[in-house]
Amino acid sequence: GDSVTQMEGPVTLSEEACLTINCTYTATGYPSLFWYVQYPGEGLQLLLKATKADDKGSNKGFEATYRKETTSFHLEKGSVQVSDSAVYFCALTGFQKLVFGTGTRLLVSP
Amino acid sequence: EAGVVQSPRYKIIEKKQPVAFWCNPISGHNTLYWYLQNLGQGPELLIRYENEEAVDDSQLPKDRFSAERLKGVDSTLKIQPAELGDSAVYLCASSFGGGDEQYFGPGTRLTVT
Repeated sequence: GDSVTQMEGPVTLSEEACLTINCTYTATGYPSLFWYVQYPGEGLQLLLKATKADDKGSNKGFEATYRKETTSFHLEKGSVQVSDSAVYFCALTGFQKLVFGTGTRLLVSP
Repeated sequence: EAGVVQSPRYKIIEKKQPVAFWCNPISGHNTLYWYLQNLGQGPELLIRYENEEAVDDSQLPKDRFSAERLKGVDSTLKIQPAELGDSAVYLCASSFGGGDEQYFGPGTRLTVT
């Protein structure tokens, strides 16, 4: 079945460092791909999405490109802030339901 | 615009007791989802409603879990009886027309002792 694999965390960075969180997927068909973020004590929020190959999703300085050839959707940010500390989930849509990865915790220190 | 509302936010019960969670989706969203999120894991779908109809409940453990969505708006998820392994966060989400973008509530954290 459809699945998503994310790099394990925690990822610990200093403020203004570059971020990459790896995500690869297995799916039949052509799913849409998503990154969700979960701040402490809050529900999941959609961060960005891409619906077809080579699409780039972007929001709040985060970017991810839908790479069909490598079945990947890596999350990147050029300069992280303390406020970016959260858990990030990669997900895809399969048969009208979201399939999530296990999440990657990001910790950013001042 | 109000987001997805869930209550209670936290619940502690003893095993074998019943428990219920309530969800109010975003106004106008006809698709409603219940997810289970275990510690350190991503959410997993329990059930999906299109209006009043449960169109995907294949992952709902029907021996102890039940859900309803009367009138196609609010929804209730029930566990009876609860087991220790049910300790988790129960998330509700909604979308318009089953679209790609789902909006999540804050979740209910259940602890079964």
